[in-house]
Amino acid sequence: ETAVFQTPNYHVTQVGNEVSFNCKQTLGHDTMYWYKQDSKKLLKIMFSYNNKQLIVNETVPRRFSPQSSDKAHLNLRIKSVEPEDSAVYLCASSPPGPNSDYTFGSGTRLLVI
Amino acid sequence: AQKVTQTQTSISVVEKTTVTMDCVYETRDSSYFLFWYKQTASGEIVFLIRQDSYKKENATVGHYSLNFQKPKSSIGLIITATQIEDSAVYFCAMRGNSNNRIFFGDGTQLVVKP
Repeated sequence: ETAVFQTPNYHVTQVGNEVSFNCKQTLGHDTMYWYKQDSKKLLKIMFSYNNKQLIVNETVPRRFSPQSSDKAHLNLRIKSVEPEDSAVYLCASSPPGPNSDYTFGSGTRLLVI
Repeated sequence: AQKVTQTQTSISVVEKTTVTMDCVYETRDSSYFLFWYKQTASGEIVFLIRQDSYKKENATVGHYSLNFQKPKSSIGLIITATQIEDSAVYFCAMRGNSNNRIFFGDGTQLVVKP
């Protein structure tokens, strides 16, 4: 099956802890993205990698850091989580070209208590 | 700057009718691409349909079609013969030739009632 796979589906943690989310795509795409979706369903770009190179780095707190070992993997680490980090984190990938659409993963829901 | 605006927060329709969701965009790119995505209650986001700015003909896929009005920077999504399972949040999105990512609107919640 070719798709974008995210783990875990759901994570509950306490303020100040560190969390890591994994994303893998088996579509052969060159570019991967992390989006944050808040409770109002707004989608906000966080990071984008093209073939392991960081190409988009929006204004996000320093506690967020992406990690890419190869073009099929893009992980997200959050050091010392805060309550406002509670959200759904969506990973996506796309082939080259501005006319290419995204394939999204199913998301990781983070709850910070 | 790129911007996508969806003014309708929520729409409710009766099944089997036709619904139009509005979207306007801003871009300085001469060539750009417009997308619509659907997010179901489970959270899954899927791509529905795309319009290329240089094409005059409106895109159509199944019971989805677009109303592309370039002079108005508008790209409406039309769903004909709506079904209960069309209930979802619909996102309008855009990517210009100079951009390295897709810009999303805030979404429109569609509720299809029996």
